[in-house]
Amino acid sequence: DSGVTQTPKHLITATGQRVTLRCSPRSGDLSVYWYQQSLDQGLQFLIQYYNGEERAKGNILERFSAQQFPDLHSELNLSSLELGDSALYFCASSVLGFTDTQYFGPGTRLTVL
Amino acid sequence: QQQVKQSPQSLIVQKGGISIINCAYENTAFDYFPWYQQFPGKGPALLIAIRPDVSEKKEGRFTISFNKSAKQFSLHIMDSQPGDSATYFCAAAYSGAGSYQLTFGKGTKLSVIP
Repeated sequence: DSGVTQTPKHLITATGQRVTLRCSPRSGDLSVYWYQQSLDQGLQFLIQYYNGEERAKGNILERFSAQQFPDLHSELNLSSLELGDSALYFCASSVLGFTDTQYFGPGTRLTVL
Repeated sequence: QQQVKQSPQSLIVQKGGISIINCAYENTAFDYFPWYQQFPGKGPALLIAIRPDVSEKKEGRFTISFNKSAKQFSLHIMDSQPGDSATYFCAAAYSGAGSYQLTFGKGTKLSVIP
């Protein structure tokens, strides 16, 4: 158990809908990273927050957004969902924004029908 | 553009054998190279990592070999066990950007047969 929690574990929704994925980092970790894992693209970095502020952005679609709250939990919002958004979404946390070890949560499996 | 190339895609090794997974990177600014292990239904977990100032790092049965001039690094699993059967991902990061966002290889599915 990495200490990172993600909810929900599974999410099934329809095209065009909007969903919110939640991540609670390990106690004391200030940084949260979001990754998408799909069969064709593999594991891809989406976005990072550090102590409430956006730190880095990767291959994140404009339909996706994220935020980190004062209690350091983070939410990833996915809107206008398409079939191709079906994937596993992982969050990872680390102590600081620029330290190496990232601890991954168990992931949220999103299925868009 | 795939910045980290990983091979092979899948690997079958006999119990007690050596498993070798290779990765190559393009961005010479990368300065942190971790390997992650992922079991089905779980998130990736850090296995071992190396920085480019050393050519080899060993932790138990796991060894990373790093060749800076060739821009390649590899994972060796000695005395492979059935419990090692998992998907392995190499990754790379550049710390200078103030973020350790990881760029992953496509993964290698390792099966260790008794």
